[in-house]
Amino acid sequence: GAVVSQHPSRVICKSGTSVKIECRSLDFQATTMFWYRQFPKQSLMLMATSNEGSKATYEQGVEKDKFLINHASLTLSTLTVTSAHPEDSSFYICSARDHRGGYGYTFGSGTRLTVV
Amino acid sequence: RKEVEQDPGPFNVPEGATVAFNCTYSNSASQSFFWYRQDCRKEPKLLMSVYSSGNEDGRFTAQLNRASQYISLLIRDSKLSDSATYLCVVNLEDSSYKLIFGSGTRLLVRP
Repeated sequence: GAVVSQHPSRVICKSGTSVKIECRSLDFQATTMFWYRQFPKQSLMLMATSNEGSKATYEQGVEKDKFLINHASLTLSTLTVTSAHPEDSSFYICSARDHRGGYGYTFGSGTRLTVV
Repeated sequence: RKEVEQDPGPFNVPEGATVAFNCTYSNSASQSFFWYRQDCRKEPKLLMSVYSSGNEDGRFTAQLNRASQYISLLIRDSKLSDSATYLCVVNLEDSSYKLIFGSGTRLLVRP
């Protein structure tokens, strides 16, 4: 089946630093990947849609200059949280759409970011 | 109004009980519907897709009412391992392929 690998699983960083999160599709090519953020006891909120070879599409209210997305290959998308602040502490999850045999969405295992 | 609304719960039921979750969605253009399960501090995992005719997978039954924009999930003979948050998810199936998540309904199954 489709597997999506997300790293790191957890990270603690100092306020003002940048953190990069990687999302890889291991056994399929993903032209589209999605980045979500989930705060405690809340649902997953879509941040942006990552498109291979083109600019990401950001949801309303998400700062594109703060959350940099790069989808340089068909198997890798990265999310960089720049100048992180404590309010950016959250659970970040990526998802990739497997076009084989119809559509299917596979999620990475998530990254728990804590900014201190 | 939220695009996908669910009762947050928690639903606290004994083992063996039958429990039902409801969900409503606001966008009539929604085309695909799913129930995902999310355990604490883990990623969501697909439980089942929801089809117009209703569908069943073991102890789980999903129903869709397009006219009312309403989706349900029924769990029979609850197990301790069913304790989790159940997420109602819709997809517009437009060119964006975005999934829209409800806030989830928490289920606690007690011995």
